[in-house]
Amino acid sequence: DAKTTQPPSMDCAEGRAANLPCNHSTISGNEYVYWYRQIHSQGPQYIIHGLKNNETNEMASLIITEDRKSSTLILPHATLRDTAVYYCIAPRDYGNKLVFGAGTILRVKS
Amino acid sequence: DTGVSQNPRHKITKRGQNVTFRCDPISEHNRLYWYRQTLGQGPEFLTYFQNEAQLEKSRLLSDRFSAERPKGSFSTLEIQRTEQGDSAMYLCASSLMSEKLFFGSGTQLSVL
Repeated sequence: DAKTTQPPSMDCAEGRAANLPCNHSTISGNEYVYWYRQIHSQGPQYIIHGLKNNETNEMASLIITEDRKSSTLILPHATLRDTAVYYCIAPRDYGNKLVFGAGTILRVKS
Repeated sequence: DTGVSQNPRHKITKRGQNVTFRCDPISEHNRLYWYRQTLGQGPEFLTYFQNEAQLEKSRLLSDRFSAERPKGSFSTLEIQRTEQGDSAMYLCASSLMSEKLFFGSGTQLSVL
């Protein structure tokens, strides 16, 4: 898997956009970028993934730089329920055997 | 779709005892994964199955650990002669081939 680097923690005001960065400078051409999150006492939950193009779904948007060395997960209107650990993963195999790092603790505050 | 189910949710055992956890994946999913997570760390991969075949095992999976998926449906993870270092959350996930993983809520093991 490509090594990913994320800040250990971030704060965000409720209702504002949360922008979570991830560096993956060693990513290869066929490695996707996946984002999962883990709310306290629950298993990780899939958010979104992408290869080259920006992606958007009902939960978030994923912006991948043109050189693919970094990406940003955007939660457009963060709520208190978005407080969680967010993991950025670039698995060697598409969707297989995800290797989790420490992730970013996002705290959404009112 | 009832999601991935894990039982029990909590298990307290004495050092040296054997424990077994069960995971019921989403019914049409052919891949099943086991992870372990300790406090403050991300989940660590242990092993995964495609149907009934165990295709990969982590070095973390010592000889005291064994996982089975006998009919390609539910899976069990057994830990023999438990040690205090085995205390962790054990997570199960399933997927349809190489698509996104769906995780269960985990089994929290405490070894006294």
